[in-house]
Amino acid sequence: QQQVKQSPQSLIVQKGGISIINCAYENTAFDYFPWYQQFPGKGPALLIAIRPDVSEKKEGRFTISFNKSAKQFSLHIMDSQPGDSATYFCAASIVDSSYKLIFGSGTRLLVRP
Amino acid sequence: DTAVSQTPKYLVTQMGNDKSIKCEQNLGHDTMYWYKQDSKKFLKIMFSYNNKELIINETVPNRFSPKSPDKAHLNLHINSLELGDSAVYFCASSSIAGSEQFFGPGTRLTVL
Repeated sequence: QQQVKQSPQSLIVQKGGISIINCAYENTAFDYFPWYQQFPGKGPALLIAIRPDVSEKKEGRFTISFNKSAKQFSLHIMDSQPGDSATYFCAASIVDSSYKLIFGSGTRLLVRP
Repeated sequence: DTAVSQTPKYLVTQMGNDKSIKCEQNLGHDTMYWYKQDSKKFLKIMFSYNNKELIINETVPNRFSPKSPDKAHLNLHINSLELGDSAVYFCASSSIAGSEQFFGPGTRLTVL
């Protein structure tokens, strides 16, 4: 019940295309769903996050769509750029009580020029 | 100024040795974490500390011993290193448990 399942494992997109990464969770107590971006040799960095009281959050070219009933959330990267090539992790936690993030298995995104 | 820093960046050592990784955060956060990232990039929590107190020990072998001398520091000491300990270890911190976590640059540990 603590798992967060992420797909696909890898993704290749042409420059200007839309990248979509999906995650699913089981624990309905989760109330914080961040996406992290990790470049080779660097630590993960928060990209965007959502709480379950909204169904969508947009920041620039990055959008999280959240479906509470289906227990799924996804990251959409619009107008994907070669500089977006990185590994993306979804995660989930319970704010104020769970002292950890449960991470998905990661998606390696390659954006071709 | 680096928010979360770790030293060393790389650590290469022989099996059976003891080594330490240091972590410092200058964000004023109360909660600090250690995560392990394996060769398949999977990130897993090892320990969580809140106000210098151990909160989570996620079934990590006793050879791993975290120490928090103050709220800004969380060090990781590893005894009797094994081949399977080879991984990248990340320190992180957050102001509120379960909320946005800021990660350090990682320490790549290679056990030969």
